[in-house]
Amino acid sequence: AQTVTQSQPEMSVQEAETVTLSCTYDTSESNYYLFWYKQPPSRQMILVIRQEAYKQQNATENRFSVNFQKAAKSFSLKISDSQLGDTAMYFCAFMKHSAGNQFYFGTGTSLTVIP
Amino acid sequence: EAGVAQSPRYKIIEKRQSVAFWCNPISGHATLYWYQQILGQGPKLLIQFQNNGVVDDSQLPKDRFSAERLKGVDSTLKIQPAKLEDSAVYLCASNLRAQSGEKLFFGSGTQLSVL
Repeated sequence: AQTVTQSQPEMSVQEAETVTLSCTYDTSESNYYLFWYKQPPSRQMILVIRQEAYKQQNATENRFSVNFQKAAKSFSLKISDSQLGDTAMYFCAFMKHSAGNQFYFGTGTSLTVIP
Repeated sequence: EAGVAQSPRYKIIEKRQSVAFWCNPISGHATLYWYQQILGQGPKLLIQFQNNGVVDDSQLPKDRFSAERLKGVDSTLKIQPAKLEDSAVYLCASNLRAQSGEKLFFGSGTQLSVL
């Protein structure tokens, strides 16, 4: 079974500063995908960033980037130049690369950006 | 493009009553997921459909929960009878295919309160 662990229930960061959210996972699979989703109070889950496990290069999306360490099974999210709109729950998710497989989510990190 | 539609947005019922949630995925999306998100936790998969067939329902409490996806488009999730511990947000998600690491598109969820 796959497990996803987010060890930081809550975090805060000053506006314009940088923050890193941690995620570790456990799997015996070699091909898989990792995601970070953002869930604001509206409850709408929004994809932040996606990483294919077979790619060594870390994914980046504007102010968001990941540090993917496959051997350590670690997948952290770095948010640069934090904005008030980044305040939300952030979920790390794992998906196996095979047909009919579901997403496994972590327990989430609540991020507050302080003005 | 239109997103994943869910209704109702909120529902309050008493224990032992029944309730149903509806989901309309993005047009053309073959895979549909129902997740249960208890407050303070990450989404937990209840059931996954590929077209109108069930791919995974291993975590669905089948003594009280049921789901169907007739014609491979809309889906309904039912709880009968509801228990206090069923209070949660029920999220519906879809993607084009389960494999290839495609991202999930989520609806805004139905918040269920069981009194």
